[in-house]
Amino acid sequence: GAVVSQHPSRVICKSGTSVKIECRSLDFQATTMFWYRQFPKQSLMLMATSNEGSKATYEQGVEKDKFLINHASLTLSTLTVTSAHPEDSSFYICSASPPTSIDRNEQFFGPGTRLTVL
Amino acid sequence: LAKTTQPISMDSYEGQEVNITCSHNNIATNDYITWYQQFPSQGPRFIIQGYKTKVTNEVASLFIPADRKSSTLSLPRVSLSDTAVYYCLVVLYSSASKIIFGSGTRLSIRP
Repeated sequence: GAVVSQHPSRVICKSGTSVKIECRSLDFQATTMFWYRQFPKQSLMLMATSNEGSKATYEQGVEKDKFLINHASLTLSTLTVTSAHPEDSSFYICSASPPTSIDRNEQFFGPGTRLTVL
Repeated sequence: LAKTTQPISMDSYEGQEVNITCSHNNIATNDYITWYQQFPSQGPRFIIQGYKTKVTNEVASLFIPADRKSSTLSLPRVSLSDTAVYYCLVVLYSSASKIIFGSGTRLSIRP
């Protein structure tokens, strides 16, 4: 199956700093990627849809200036958590669907990035 | 996107068949039923997807009645490694459509 990677897998930062998380589709091109956030013992919450070459679409309640998304190429989307605070500590996961999935809508998820803000 | 309802948790034993039922009363004509599995600190993994009747793959079976208002994921002869959270989703049949996750079912398998 298709592979989606994330980097870093784990990051610890000080409050007030910015953190960038990369999401790559390794063996396919993705014009659309999705970013999720997951708190412990909770479900995934969709944050935004990342569109290659255009602005991201944010879900209601997600601050676009806080969570900057850049989808500069067909294989890379980045999520930057700006001025991070302890409440931003969470598990961030991205996903993408290869265009060859014509017989089913199958999302491939990255392994996730654990962000801890001190 | 239709809302889904599934049990919060289930317990079973190794070697048993596990059936997890999900209700989706407001499913639309162009919606497909999809199940994902998630282990702790990992991204979800696609298990199976179907539109109606029955779908089977190497991992599971998915049963969907004619009215499509519910579906049942069947895991044959579970093992300890099947302990995970299982999410029932209703998705549009489009590779670029977003997925909204519900609360999921936490399945615990015991020896």
